[in-house]
Amino acid sequence: DTEVTQTPKHLVMGMTNKKSLKCEQHMGHRAMYWYKQKAKKPPELMFVYSYEKLSINESVPSRFSPECPNSSLLNLHLHALQPEDSALYLCASSQKQGALSNEQFFGPGTRLTVL
Amino acid sequence: GQSLEQPSEVTAVEGAIVQINCTYQTSGFYGLSWYQQHDGGAPTFLSYNALDGLEETGRFSSFLSRSDSYGYLLLQELQMKDSASYFCARALDRDNYGQNFVFGPGTRLSVLP
Repeated sequence: DTEVTQTPKHLVMGMTNKKSLKCEQHMGHRAMYWYKQKAKKPPELMFVYSYEKLSINESVPSRFSPECPNSSLLNLHLHALQPEDSALYLCASSQKQGALSNEQFFGPGTRLTVL
Repeated sequence: GQSLEQPSEVTAVEGAIVQINCTYQTSGFYGLSWYQQHDGGAPTFLSYNALDGLEETGRFSSFLSRSDSYGYLLLQELQMKDSASYFCARALDRDNYGQNFVFGPGTRLSVLP
């Protein structure tokens, strides 16, 4: 299984709502990532989990709250978002295999619209 | 500096060869990756260069010159399905797991019949 799955595919929420994005992988990867991607822009790294511990937080506002309950699952909890947070949220995973391997496997993303 | 530069758009015809360049600032460099992303799709890994030279994977090759802070992706025998955005990305640290990545702005490749 070389797949990263994300749910939901689409999400529309109001600024006062609380919602969660979910990501799952069963490749045994021990690094998992959240990216945000706006239209016609590159993915921007938000968070990195390494061995289920948060290792990188790229100064993301606290209205985004990541959680890694186990080595296969990654959640992103959303609360009090702003319309400018509307974007494609991508989850990825990787496991380094020697010095020359650097592949990240991306899920299909959740298209988020904040009204 | 962590930024990368790529051309915004490239156009070529089917069967041709196209080169997409990427330049980067040298501080904290740990390798250059290339990703392809079709409209509405997820980025998919194409290639990675940690050392100088050429890496070949089928129709795609990637090259790195650390002394010039420069790399490129070479696509041969272009097909219509190669129309997509191509991103170079650099790793910013050498953690065993967890790669701090920054992506270049992306190059939109259009393949014409």
